[in-house]
Amino acid sequence: AQSVTQLDSHVSVSEGTPVLLRCNYSSSYSPSLFWYVQHPNKGLQLLLKYTSAATLVKGINGFEAEFKKSETSFHLTKPSAHMSDAAEYFCVVSDPSGNEKLTFGTGTRLTIIP
Amino acid sequence: GAVVSQHPSRVICKSGTSVKIECRSLDFQATTMFWYRQFPKQSLMLMATSNEGSKATYEQGVEKDKFLINHASLTLSTLTVTSAHPEDSSFYICSARDPGANPNYGYTFGSGTRLTVV
Repeated sequence: AQSVTQLDSHVSVSEGTPVLLRCNYSSSYSPSLFWYVQHPNKGLQLLLKYTSAATLVKGINGFEAEFKKSETSFHLTKPSAHMSDAAEYFCVVSDPSGNEKLTFGTGTRLTIIP
Repeated sequence: GAVVSQHPSRVICKSGTSVKIECRSLDFQATTMFWYRQFPKQSLMLMATSNEGSKATYEQGVEKDKFLINHASLTLSTLTVTSAHPEDSSFYICSARDPGANPNYGYTFGSGTRLTVV
C-alpha cells in the first residue's frame, strides 16, 4: 500500500521569501504524485503532477516539485511567496494498480507573513 | 479544462433527516467519481468510489446504508446522507477525472459541501 507523509503541519514564511513544503512517500511501485492546494471552504486545485516523465515538475503559480527516488521525497517549493499562497497544501499519491484511488497526506497549512 | 460542479455548497439540516449532495461533470463524461470526507483541519478521506451503472465501492468503515451513492448517468453522481446526525457534520468533496484529457491534468474536485446537522 502507498502512503504519503507531510512532515510539517504548519509553515509560516514572510512574503517574498522561499517556500518549502515537505512530502515523503511510500509506494511499492513507481508512483504518481500530486500536490493540491485548498483555500478555505473550497475544493482542491491541482498544482502539479509527477508521472516519471521528468523529475523536476513545474506547476501553476510558480510552484515546482522535485521527485527524488533515493530520498522518497517530493517536496514543493516556490522561490518567492505571495500573500495569495496562504492555503492548505496536500501531497497525494495515486494507487499504481490503476483503480484511481488517491491517498492524501495530512496537509500543510501555509501562512504568509506580510 | 475539466469542471466538476458540486451542489449545494452549504446545507444545514435537522437530525434524522436526509440530505442529498450532487456532483456533476460539466464538460466530460465520468464513469467513475469519488466521494471524500474532510473533518476540520484534517485531510481528505476517501469514502467511496461511485461507478456509473453499478454499485458504489465503499471504503472500510463507511456505512453504505447511511451514505447512499447513486451514479445513474455519466455526468451525475449523488451522495445521500440518510438519517443524519450531528457527527455526520463535515465537508464532503467529490472528484472525477476526464478520461479524454491529458492525464497530467490530474483529478478535478468539486468545490465541496459543508454539511451541518443540528
